[in-house]
Amino acid sequence: DTAVSQTPKYLVTQMGNDKSIKCEQNLGHDTMYWYKQDSKKFLKIMFSYNNKELIINETVPNRFSPKSPDKAHLNLHINSLELGDSAVYFCASSRLQGGLNTEAFFGQGTRLTVV
Amino acid sequence: AQSVTQPDIHITVSEGASLELRCNYSYGATPYLFWYVQSPGQGLQLLLKYFSGDTLVQGIKGFEAEFKRSQSSFNLRKPSVHWSDAAEYFCAVGAAGTALIFGKGTTLSVSS
Repeated sequence: DTAVSQTPKYLVTQMGNDKSIKCEQNLGHDTMYWYKQDSKKFLKIMFSYNNKELIINETVPNRFSPKSPDKAHLNLHINSLELGDSAVYFCASSRLQGGLNTEAFFGQGTRLTVV
Repeated sequence: AQSVTQPDIHITVSEGASLELRCNYSYGATPYLFWYVQSPGQGLQLLLKYFSGDTLVQGIKGFEAEFKRSQSSFNLRKPSVHWSDAAEYFCAVGAAGTALIFGKGTTLSVSS
């Protein structure tokens, strides 16, 4: 009965390939996110969706394309993978309260390794 | 712009000793504040949160944090650390129109 689930947990792929990571939340939240955690453990927001609408798009290469088919799902597609894309990618969701984001619930992460 | 600073990159504490992890934030108003913990290979788990009201907040696993507006701080404390507390700890701020913004984290090691 996982709240935020993402698949796969591990992804090893060659440079130049295209890959997708899927995320689903069953919390009824309106807002979903993708975060990237680099090798130094720094968590950086990549994208934020609210009710399937893109709200935040940080400075991320356009090889990264999020897609939200409905408010419970937010997938991340990455084209032409590069070595520097190797990281752990976290999906998260939250609700808004008083115009601010309440606590985010995180998935277990997808460790992407590009070789 | 909003930001979160965790001044301590790595802290080592003896088992049974008390712990304080520091967090300072920059935001124009009172934000929502959070502490998360990440064990190796795991996702982030919420320890506690502050929205408003009592500035001393109790969380899970015996943690507490105190919001001090005058110091723009939200430090995490635990009176007696257990070996299982060894992990990465993140402070985060929730601001209007943005996703949660995280500090760079503090690695906690526990020595026996």
